[in-house]
Amino acid sequence: SQTIHQWPATLVQPVGSPLSLECTVEGTSNPNLYWYRQAAGRGLQLLFYSVGIGQISSEVPQNLSASRPQDRQFILSSKKLLLSDSGFYLCAWSGRIAKNIQYFGAGTRLSVL
Amino acid sequence: KQEVTQIPAALSVPEGENLVLNCSFTDSAIYNLQWFRQDPGKGLTSLLLIQSSQREQTSGRLNASLDKSSGRSTLYIAASQPGDSATYLCAVTRGSQGNLIFGKGTKLSVKP
Repeated sequence: SQTIHQWPATLVQPVGSPLSLECTVEGTSNPNLYWYRQAAGRGLQLLFYSVGIGQISSEVPQNLSASRPQDRQFILSSKKLLLSDSGFYLCAWSGRIAKNIQYFGAGTRLSVL
Repeated sequence: KQEVTQIPAALSVPEGENLVLNCSFTDSAIYNLQWFRQDPGKGLTSLLLIQSSQREQTSGRLNASLDKSSGRSTLYIAASQPGDSATYLCAVTRGSQGNLIFGKGTKLSVKP
């Protein structure tokens, strides 16, 4: 069966520090991968999605970047965190055919202080 | 641009009560609509998916309806239990290759 892992579960970082969140999927090949952010008082917002290794699409302009170095690995990064980067970050995957059937990881709570 | 709104933002009910959560969307040209559950500090779990051609879907005590022409969906929870306490999210897609557009969710608290 397919599983999705995200780590760390929680993270507290000072403003201006770098960020690296990792997501891996097991039990499937060639998944579509997604990074979402859920900020306080706001809905779940799609940040990036990837349809293959090295292929990244950004949905909103921001301080973050994403990379997909391997088929089942998706990384969310920042060189310098801002206070506004605080939030709950969720990784998800879907099959190639039905993008709207997505399976979510447990999330990472990021607090930038 | 598609916008999804969920009302109420929060709801507190006593155990055993039947309840309805509402979701509305501005563009009726949707492919499908999903209801998700999110426990505090956790990821999302899909509860029900309704295709645009369907009117409703049922799973156990949950029933979701869809009125595409009016841009509305409801999630009906029968005989609520404390274990139903969570945030319920509604999301729509424009096509099978379209991305999910989420509402802000309704935070449900069922008191024993």
